[in-house]
Amino acid sequence: AQSVTQLDSQVPVFEEAPVELRCNYSSSVSVYLFWYVQYPNQGLQLLLKYLSGSTLVKGINGFEAEFNKSQTSFHLRKPSVHISDTAEYFCAVRVNSGYALNFGKGTSLLVTP
Amino acid sequence: DTEVTQTPKHLVMGMTNKKSLKCEQHMGHRAMYWYKQKAKKPPELMFVYSYEKLSINESVPSRFSPECPNSSLLNLHLHALQPEDSALYLCASSQVPGWEKLFFGSGTQLSVL
Repeated sequence: AQSVTQLDSQVPVFEEAPVELRCNYSSSVSVYLFWYVQYPNQGLQLLLKYLSGSTLVKGINGFEAEFNKSQTSFHLRKPSVHISDTAEYFCAVRVNSGYALNFGKGTSLLVTP
Repeated sequence: DTEVTQTPKHLVMGMTNKKSLKCEQHMGHRAMYWYKQKAKKPPELMFVYSYEKLSINESVPSRFSPECPNSSLLNLHLHALQPEDSALYLCASSQVPGWEKLFFGSGTQLSVL
């Protein structure tokens, strides 16, 4: 079965510093990969997705992710974070024929001044 | 209108109560989902409705009963819940079943006493 592993449960970072949130997936078939963000007391919002094609995917709010098939990774990056980026970030995977997303355990990004 | 609206935002109920959660979208989406999210955990899929028919039930206890009266509405009927059912219940929709982008509501925070 397909799954994702988010290696860091919490990532503290200073404002305007770069950040990378790590995600590794396991699947023997083609997958779709996603990053969702959840702000406090909110639902989830799609940041970006990889379906096929270019391995560098750009999303909203200045985030980007790179699909690396050989390392089975889909790490999320932002060159300069803001206080408002403080949130929970979920990596998710879906096989091409599936209906549902399987989420990782989440990474809590805490941006401080 | 790109919103998924969930009501109520908060709900407190006793173990003998019957209550319902409501979800509404007017984006013309034909797939709707219920997810359950415990604190500090990722969302877990409960049900998927595809063209108003239940297509996936992830072995959810019968005290949770979903209903899709029409293509815009999704209900979750609750009866005889347990305290461990306390969680954030998220509704989501997608253009068609398996479409890569899910739109999430803000959720109903349920407390079972």
